[in-house]
Amino acid sequence: KNEVEQSPQNLTAQEGEFITINCSYSVGISALHWLQQHPGGGIVSLFMLSSGKKKHGRLIATINIQEKHSSLHITASHPRDSAVYICAVLYNTDKLIFGTGTRLQVFP
Amino acid sequence: DAMVIQNPRYQVTQFGKPVTLSCSQTLNHNVMYWYQQKSSQAPKLLFHYYDKDFNNEADTPDNFQSRRPNTSFCFLDIRSPGLGDAAMYLCATSRVTSSYEQYFGPGTRLTVT
Repeated sequence: KNEVEQSPQNLTAQEGEFITINCSYSVGISALHWLQQHPGGGIVSLFMLSSGKKKHGRLIATINIQEKHSSLHITASHPRDSAVYICAVLYNTDKLIFGTGTRLQVFP
Repeated sequence: DAMVIQNPRYQVTQFGKPVTLSCSQTLNHNVMYWYQQKSSQAPKLLFHYYDKDFNNEADTPDNFQSRRPNTSFCFLDIRSPGLGDAAMYLCATSRVTSSYEQYFGPGTRLTVT
């Protein structure tokens, strides 16, 4: 069993839909990253959070430390949001443990 | 803008021919990481520098070496690339603070022919 699990693995949506990607982890962490990777591209950090909720534009990330769970929400999804979204937890202060990623496709 | 820069973005090398990938940063972060990411897989940490202190992951092959001549630059040397070393190589940096947020470069895609 992976220490960081994401669901779903694949997600398709119509433009405008509200999207939720979930991340559960089994280790003690100091923080959690949500990362975005477009096909063939590098990684962009969307959020790092250790408690509560963060919002940036149409993206919202929440974390519940007690339940070891985080969610990434995309409101009013757009085809340019199509990418792989990766949850990564910061373990032992300087190492990331990556989830398996969620491949999102948003169709016009 | 302050950022993490990787050169080249695409690198083609021949089987067994040494290759060096470059990473530079203008963030003045003291921790630099090299990750290997193969197709449809999560990034795998190869090693990281905490200032000048080199930290190798236990399962990183000896074929992979790294140099950090100063705070801004870090190099990944692959001494004898094999076909299995074809991958995206990602550099990241972080600062020793309570957050340790990692900032990623755009990656170098290595092809081995």
